[in-house]
Amino acid sequence: AQKVTQAQTEISVVEKEDVTLDCVYETRDTTYYLFWYKQPPSGELVFLIRRNSFDEQNEISGRYSWNFQKSTSSFNFTITASQVVDSAVYFCALSEAASGSGGYQKVTFGIGTKLQVIP
Amino acid sequence: DTAVSQTPKYLVTQMGNDKSIKCEQNLGHDTMYWYKQDSKKFLKIMFSYNNKELIINETVPNRFSPKSPDKAHLNLHINSLELGDSAVYFCASSQDLAGVEEQYFGPGTRLTVT
Repeated sequence: AQKVTQAQTEISVVEKEDVTLDCVYETRDTTYYLFWYKQPPSGELVFLIRRNSFDEQNEISGRYSWNFQKSTSSFNFTITASQVVDSAVYFCALSEAASGSGGYQKVTFGIGTKLQVIP
Repeated sequence: DTAVSQTPKYLVTQMGNDKSIKCEQNLGHDTMYWYKQDSKKFLKIMFSYNNKELIINETVPNRFSPKSPDKAHLNLHINSLELGDSAVYFCASSQDLAGVEEQYFGPGTRLTVT
């Protein structure tokens, strides 16, 4: 089973539409961290947000918002009033204790969701 | 100032050759990583180093040999290149191994093996 599942491989929306990118994770740890990264067509990976397992507060940053629900093991990402510049591949990632760890965490990325915003 | 830099940005070479990719971070981070991103954008960790010490080796063929001369540098040497090695390779760094802080990625090196 995948540790991080991003079921939507590609999404297309028309500019100004709202869009939600889903992320479902799997872990046995009680302490873990979740991340979202953006990879625009230029190729670089850009950090967007971090959440720890003890903080289920939703977060809003401009047009971006994140909904973390431990009950469903989900950390979904919504873009409101999407813009062409939002077109990118978005990765969800999970940081948890590595098996047999010497106290370090291992980060696993989902396969990414490619978002295309059409003008 | 570039936080995480990689050279070269593009690398085109023939099968069987040996090549290296260099990575440097000026963030003062303890931990560095190499990731491979295939044509389907799947991002998979290859190695992680903490203070020059190898921590994670994700069943990568031993043709790949990382080297960390100091904690600011993590180079990747690849021997006997194969067609399947064609991918984008990303270097990244983070504060430490705790996994709490985000990773900072380099711009990537697009390797094409012909």
